[in-house]
Amino acid sequence: GAVVSQHPSRVICKSGTSVKIECRSLDFQATTMFWYRQFPKQSLMLMATSNEGSKATYEQGVEKDKFLINHASLTLSTLTVTSAHPEDSSFYICSHAPLGAGQPQHFGDGTRLSIL
Amino acid sequence: AQKITQTQPGMFVQEKEAVTLDCTYDTSDPSYGLFWYKQPSSGEMIFLIYQGSYDQQNATEGRYSLNFQKARKSANLVISASQLGDSAMYFCAMRESGFNKFYFGSGTKLNVKP
Repeated sequence: GAVVSQHPSRVICKSGTSVKIECRSLDFQATTMFWYRQFPKQSLMLMATSNEGSKATYEQGVEKDKFLINHASLTLSTLTVTSAHPEDSSFYICSHAPLGAGQPQHFGDGTRLSIL
Repeated sequence: AQKITQTQPGMFVQEKEAVTLDCTYDTSDPSYGLFWYKQPSSGEMIFLIYQGSYDQQNATEGRYSLNFQKARKSANLVISASQLGDSAMYFCAMRESGFNKFYFGSGTKLNVKP
């Protein structure tokens, strides 16, 4: 099946730092990628859908300037948390799913972000 | 209205016994897919099983089976012969044909007791 590689797996940094998370499709071309945020013991919350070569589609309530998404190629999508603060600490996970109701998502392993 | 509802925040099951995790969904799209994912404490999301809205038979994958009751809009996951390694969060998800997004339930934390 499709393999999605997400890096880094864990980040600890100071408040005010910008953090970039990469999501790569290793054996397929991904025109779209999903970015989720997950708080402890809660479900996945869709933040945005990145689209190769065009602007990402953000869900309501997600700050576009805070969470910058770039999908410059068919194999790489990035999420940059700009000027991160402790409230941005969370688990971020990307995924890809081919089009079609019957296609499951293939997830990266996630990134645990801790802002001190 | 919630697209996916999982009413069991936590479940306990004895090792080697079967357990059913509940999931109900809400959609007016005649074509949709239902998925179950497992999330261990390490965080990765593992795809378990899929059921299509037009499938006549319940899906099965090894020890996992999906009890699909379309009229009731339920898609319960059945895990047979539970193992200690089955302890994890389980999420039910739905994908509608007209939308390129997935809807997730709130999850069920399963604990398998030795």
